Amino acid sequence: KNQVEQSPQSLIILEGKNCTLQCNYTVSPFSNLRWYKQDTGRGPVSLTIMTFSENTKSNGRYTATLDADTKQSSLHITASQLSDSASYICVVMGGISGYSTLTFGKGTMLLVSP
Amino acid sequence: DAGVTQSPTHLIKTRGQQVTLRCSPKSGHDTVSWYQQALGQGPQFIFQYYEEEERQRGNFPDRFSGHQFPNYSSELNVNALLLGDSALYLCASSLRQGVGYEQYFGPGTRLTVT
Repeated sequence: KNQVEQSPQSLIILEGKNCTLQCNYTVSPFSNLRWYKQDTGRGPVSLTIMTFSENTKSNGRYTATLDADTKQSSLHITASQLSDSASYICVVMGGISGYSTLTFGKGTMLLVSP
Repeated sequence: DAGVTQSPTHLIKTRGQQVTLRCSPKSGHDTVSWYQQALGQGPQFIFQYYEEEERQRGNFPDRFSGHQFPNYSSELNVNALLLGDSALYLCASSLRQGVGYEQYFGPGTRLTVT
């Protein structure tokens, strides 16, 4: 069964600090992995997309890593800001393009406090 | 260039009623997917439409149906509403042959069933 597990479930950090969110998956065959940021009550917004051959991808203060061998990914947030408070969702695409499926994690709720 | 739009923003219905949610995809996109997101959970895939046909379906009952129009916009219909149908309904659009098959999400429709 395709699954995506995220940890921690929630996290509180001080403004300006760094943090790392984890994602483990059992989706096969693997196509790509995405990280989304979702503000409360809003639709998810894409941060990064990584394919099998990519180990690291950055988007401003967000850096995602992927280890396809261990089926793990992380999202590192540098110098956190209050606006980073949101749910961060790991999504893995599996299958053949055009007939692929997306498996969503439950998300990590991040709260950045002043 | 407008992104994905959804209407209405909020909706309150009573048990047993029927509801129709609408989605307009991002300009140039031809595929629409619908998701249900319960509070504190990740999005759950309902179904996907391409070329006016349902191409993939998640584990949702037949009470959930949809339609895609020639202009690629889409509707989600839910019949015989249950209290458990209360959720944020997200629409995501993509280009069928797009690299990485990236999906862009709309802001969602918050459905409350009383």
